[in-house]
Amino acid sequence: DGGITQSPKYLFRKEGQNVTLSCEQNLNHDAMYWYRQDPGQGLRLIYYSQIVNDFQKGDIAEGYSVSREKKESFPLTVTSAQKNPTAFYLCASSPVAGGNEKLFFGSGTQLSVL
Amino acid sequence: DAKTTQPPSMDCAEGRAANLPCNHSTISGNEYVYWYRQIHSQGPQYIIHGLKNNETNEMASLIITEDRKSSTLILPHATLRDTAVYYCIVRGYGGATNKLIFGTGTLLAVQP
Repeated sequence: DGGITQSPKYLFRKEGQNVTLSCEQNLNHDAMYWYRQDPGQGLRLIYYSQIVNDFQKGDIAEGYSVSREKKESFPLTVTSAQKNPTAFYLCASSPVAGGNEKLFFGSGTQLSVL
Repeated sequence: DAKTTQPPSMDCAEGRAANLPCNHSTISGNEYVYWYRQIHSQGPQYIIHGLKNNETNEMASLIITEDRKSSTLILPHATLRDTAVYYCIVRGYGGATNKLIFGTGTLLAVQP
């Protein structure tokens, strides 16, 4: 089945540690996105990528980094500079960035700090 | 980017129509209205979107007022599985990106 796969479902980070969240899609979509969701809140955009080898900062990029070496993959690294990383992280994709296409979301990764 | 205003929560009886309102009074002429829903601890699911005309698909109907300052999502026969947070979103433009701005949504509780 086509879709977006996020892994792991749950992740724990120690103080000062970098962790990487995986996001893979087999929908052949050009654009991919990372959102952060805090309890009772909406989604906030961290980073997005419109094409391979290109990405832009969203509204809350500080303390995060991404790469887009392959069309189907858009991993997110939560660095030690992110002082409040505990949140639910969602990856999404769309066929074309800037067009009138809907977003397809993965099932999310819950990150917690030990 | 246009902001949206939704009631924080609503109840609906199972089998009845659920009508979820959304205000977007600052919407621009070329901005679409999107609806997504999120079941607890899952990723949001696309429901429907529209520009000016009313839209209907297998999941729901979208009614947009003539002045486009508000809209209503209608679930014609709500079931317990429709219990979720529903987000009304106006598509914003950030460069060339399909940047959707999510608010806090409406928690719809379908009651048996």
